[in-house]
Amino acid sequence: DAGVIQSPRHEVTEMGQEVTLRCKPISGHNSLFWYRQTMMRGLELLIYFNNNVPIDDSGMPEDRFSAKMPNASFSTLKIQPSEPRDSAVYFCASSYQGGNVEAFFGQGTRLTVV
Amino acid sequence: KQEVTQIPAALSVPEGENLVLNCSFTDSAIYNLQWFRQDPGKGLTSLLLIQSSQREQTSGRLNASLDKSSGRSTLYIAASQPGDSATYLCAVKNYGQNFVFGPGTRLSVLP
Repeated sequence: DAGVIQSPRHEVTEMGQEVTLRCKPISGHNSLFWYRQTMMRGLELLIYFNNNVPIDDSGMPEDRFSAKMPNASFSTLKIQPSEPRDSAVYFCASSYQGGNVEAFFGQGTRLTVV
Repeated sequence: KQEVTQIPAALSVPEGENLVLNCSFTDSAIYNLQWFRQDPGKGLTSLLLIQSSQREQTSGRLNASLDKSSGRSTLYIAASQPGDSATYLCAVKNYGQNFVFGPGTRLSVLP
């Protein structure tokens, strides 16, 4: 398996634009997590899905953020409209609930909003 | 609410030294604890996973221990090498919840 795949790796956008981050979890995994990492706040959970259903979205900053998981092999995180304070590295991770629940991370998307 | 702390925040050691990184958590009802390594500008690489029923796990020069009752885990690195330089994060998972991360320990191993 190629691991968790995220795209794009880097994104630079202007304030007010819509940004969509994508994630393909490891095949067979049934949990998917979106994290945001900044120098000030470290790694913060935004949302996690279990069997494609959002379980905890309490970390989603505000209504500008939305996440979907239409099937077991794909998830998106959308920011609309984007703001400079959204600049961060966004990580997607997946695991298998029911096994040892080890989490595997993608390489992240570095988002810069100017 | 689970809170995870790591000490020290940064550590610099000469090559060849054995070292210990510490992780503490407030809620001992955990499912597992995982240690990760993160290189600058990269993603997180899983190093060791300890289930709640286990006391330790070993992989090569790395050994992680878990003491649930005291809310602590340690990562022991033997015979450190410059290639071990990275940030090390611990993450705790409670039943039915997400992974909560510590702030990390930034390790520099000097040649």
